[in-house]
Amino acid sequence: DAGVTQSPTHLIKTRGQQVTLRCSPKSGHDTVSWYQQALGQGPQFIFQYYEEEERQRGNFPDRFSGHQFPNYSSELNVNALLLGDSALYLCASSFLKRGGRNEQFFGPGTRLTVL
Amino acid sequence: AQKVTQAQTEISVVEKEDVTLDCVYETRDTTYYLFWYKQPPSGELVFLIRRNSFDEQNEISGRYSWNFQKSTSSFNFTITASQVVDSAVYFCALSENAGNNRKLIWGLGTSLAVNP
Repeated sequence: DAGVTQSPTHLIKTRGQQVTLRCSPKSGHDTVSWYQQALGQGPQFIFQYYEEEERQRGNFPDRFSGHQFPNYSSELNVNALLLGDSALYLCASSFLKRGGRNEQFFGPGTRLTVL
Repeated sequence: AQKVTQAQTEISVVEKEDVTLDCVYETRDTTYYLFWYKQPPSGELVFLIRRNSFDEQNEISGRYSWNFQKSTSSFNFTITASQVVDSAVYFCALSENAGNNRKLIWGLGTSLAVNP
């Protein structure tokens, strides 16, 4: 039973560039949430996708956008990268249907460095 | 406003000592979930426990135990007979509107170092 997978594991970009991060949820899960974790901080909620729609959004600018595909996998896109976007980006999956238990299972993360 | 406070930034203990990690939360909801996650140096967050607001029963899982007290809005985590492999950052998190897959609000984490 595969867990949550994310790609790539590491990424280096320069300011102003655009980046796409990918996530495949745990088998049987239908909901994907994205978090940003700066060094020494707790994760910050970016947004959550269910049924290919953004269901909730945290306090992040429109430069952060996402998508969920029919197979429940998801992408996080960040445009016009800033130095402050350097962080570990975590994807979490969970199961919403039938009164989901809200146990979010996390992937290993993508370490993004913006130079 | 929802908030999770983990007042202990870093804790260092010697192997086999017991250690308690504190978590205090704020919420206006009567229905919510509380979580603990472990983040080892590899970075992946590992789910440890979920507790809903209607269940104040303490829970024990091996060397881990959790004490949930609504009266003090606390959800503390104790590791008994700590081991070096317990070294990690531990996060407490809150989710409102239980059963509806809401976002998690996280504390800043407590970095636990267990020394041999």
